[in-house]
Amino acid sequence: AQSVAQPEDQVNVAEGNPLTVKCTYSVSGNPYLFWYVQYPNRGLQFLLKYITGDNLVKGSYGFEAEFNKSQTSFHLKKPSALVSDSALYFCAVRVASGGSYIPTFGRGTSLIVHP
Amino acid sequence: NAGVTQTPKFRVLKTGQSMTLLCAQDMNHEYMYWYRQDPGMGLRLIHYSVGEGTTAKGEVPDGYNVSRLKKQNFLLGLESAAPSQTSVYFCASSYVGSYNEQFFGPGTRLTVL
Repeated sequence: AQSVAQPEDQVNVAEGNPLTVKCTYSVSGNPYLFWYVQYPNRGLQFLLKYITGDNLVKGSYGFEAEFNKSQTSFHLKKPSALVSDSALYFCAVRVASGGSYIPTFGRGTSLIVHP
Repeated sequence: NAGVTQTPKFRVLKTGQSMTLLCAQDMNHEYMYWYRQDPGMGLRLIHYSVGEGTTAKGEVPDGYNVSRLKKQNFLLGLESAAPSQTSVYFCASSYVGSYNEQFFGPGTRLTVL
């Protein structure tokens, strides 16, 4: 079984400050981890993924995420938030092998960046 | 390259009516998925397909049927719509392999009265 938890329904941050959106996961085996962003009235867009290798993954729009195997976490980060980053963010996990190729999504975290 | 497209964008149905949502992708992806998104519930998988002619149930399949007669198309049907099926429906597709990300369509907003 695989699962994802996004413990915060909403994250508020001031423009220019660093932001973190949290994600923890549970899989039986090695994980493949993904972050997606959804702007209002739009579909989800892929931001970045962790497959293997360097624990710090860089993605689109200046976002990055850090894979921490011991804490089973994959938190999304950005050094300096923009108002335009305000959106809904989803974390997703798939087991790397031996299971379904179907990902499991978290419930989403609403990021609000204040001017 | 249009990516993933969904038809229609909006629809209002009366209870008991039927309809079909069409998803099309032009990226030659093997896998296709239908999700529904409801406030506070995140994305829930309805049905998915790992190739032409194959479909499988997801987390919330009741009340829905699907067909994948052509590789590029994935149809979602509601035989007898219920108010509980009021939602935003998203189609997605991906290449084979669990390390590949999904590409999502723009969504269909369905209201069942």
